[in-house]
Amino acid sequence: QITLKESGPTLVKPTQTLTLTCTFSGFSLSTSGVGVGWIRQPPGKALEWLALIYWNDDKRYSPSLKSRLTITKDTSKNQVVLTMTNMDPVDTATYYCAHMEYDIALFDYWGQGTLVTVSS
Amino acid sequence: DIQMTQSPSAMSASVGDRVTITCRASQGISNYLAWFQQKPGKVPKRLIYASSSLQSGVPSRFSGSGSGTEFTLTISSLQPEDFATYYCLQHNSYPYTFGQGTKLEIK
Repeated sequence: QITLKESGPTLVKPTQTLTLTCTFSGFSLSTSGVGVGWIRQPPGKALEWLALIYWNDDKRYSPSLKSRLTITKDTSKNQVVLTMTNMDPVDTATYYCAHMEYDIALFDYWGQGTLVTVSS
Repeated sequence: DIQMTQSPSAMSASVGDRVTITCRASQGISNYLAWFQQKPGKVPKRLIYASSSLQSGVPSRFSGSGSGTEFTLTISSLQPEDFATYYCLQHNSYPYTFGQGTKLEIK
């Protein structure tokens, strides 16, 4: 059974760096084809893809946020970490992590999401 | 970036209606398209992958079709639990991009 759960601060100040952790079970990020992605959703708005990390440490980012994002994995801990620098109120959103295994299983399992508010 | 344009942005329909939502890609994406359903306050749920393959456990009243630049999600007979927002997602090339969503409301 695949599960994912996001954790991190619920409130960050403008200009601070956000660090979110996705802790998962039921799969391994050392298995060929497996990846974990991050998606966010501002309140009342659409979903936005942010980043992906694959089993082979290949990393992909949204170009509009690439300069601010870093995605890493700790295979031994079954965790993926997303950092976003220079946070702004417009980054207020629910942040989700999601599982993928090759294209056929893209985002078939999601974490519950974590709401991050950016405010002074 | 590939832009995904969903239509309509919102619609109202009645239980039992047949509903079709369209997603157009700004360039060809083969069949690298998925559909998600999201209810208020809930996590998105994948309904369709590879344009037309039904996710396990999803009712057969949901179907997807299309290839290239035009895709549709069809609900053959709306049920009360289907009122939600629907998103398409292209994963043919990076950056992956979602449509803006279609909010399906009760008439």
